[in-house]
Amino acid sequence: GQQLNQSPQSMFIQEGEDVSMNCTSSSIFNTWLWYKQDPGEGPVLLIALYKAGELTSNGRLTAQFGITRKDSFLNISASIPSDVGIYFCAGPPPNAGGTSYGKLTFGQGTILTVHP
Amino acid sequence: ETGVTQTPRHLVMGMTNKKSLKCEQHLGHNAMYWYKQSAKKPLELMFVYNFKEQTENNSVPSRFSPECPNSSHLFLHLHTLQPEDSALYLCASSQLLAVRNNEQFFGPGTRLTVL
Repeated sequence: GQQLNQSPQSMFIQEGEDVSMNCTSSSIFNTWLWYKQDPGEGPVLLIALYKAGELTSNGRLTAQFGITRKDSFLNISASIPSDVGIYFCAGPPPNAGGTSYGKLTFGQGTILTVHP
Repeated sequence: ETGVTQTPRHLVMGMTNKKSLKCEQHLGHNAMYWYKQSAKKPLELMFVYNFKEQTENNSVPSRFSPECPNSSHLFLHLHTLQPEDSALYLCASSQLLAVRNNEQFFGPGTRLTVL
């Protein structure tokens, strides 16, 4: 099936630093979703992107829908310890319809560690 | 806070036990999903229910049996599991036929350990 590749796989940063991660695909996606998963919890939706070139913010988080529709970026500014977790990108697979309607493809996640 | 609840949060079972996981969504959604999350692996979609009808069984072994009695409740019945089935099982819901139909909302998960 279609895959989403996230980079980097893990990050170790100091509190206060900015963070940047991305998600790429060999296929075009019409929607990009970014989730965060805290340890022992389910993923929480952070930002949803629906238009190529779209730039959307949620507090210190900013995500962009790549112009080529094959990538998306998530930036976190002035990181704090509670930013620790796994960040996933996701999107409906290309040609999602019929019985595939509503399905999502997930990346493997970027693990973020923030040192105080 | 979450609109999707899952019980139990933790479950330890033997290979011969029968247990069930429960998911309930309070968001008025019409689609529900079961995912398996193992260590160092991407989320694996197991089952999809659209309008209470199962539309996806992603080659899941028959020892996992889903049930969706109504659009708000989803169960996963477990029987004669294997140790490799130990994982975090996540339930999610979404609203199909809506503008933001791809946005899935997850429950906190059930951490399952099979001995």
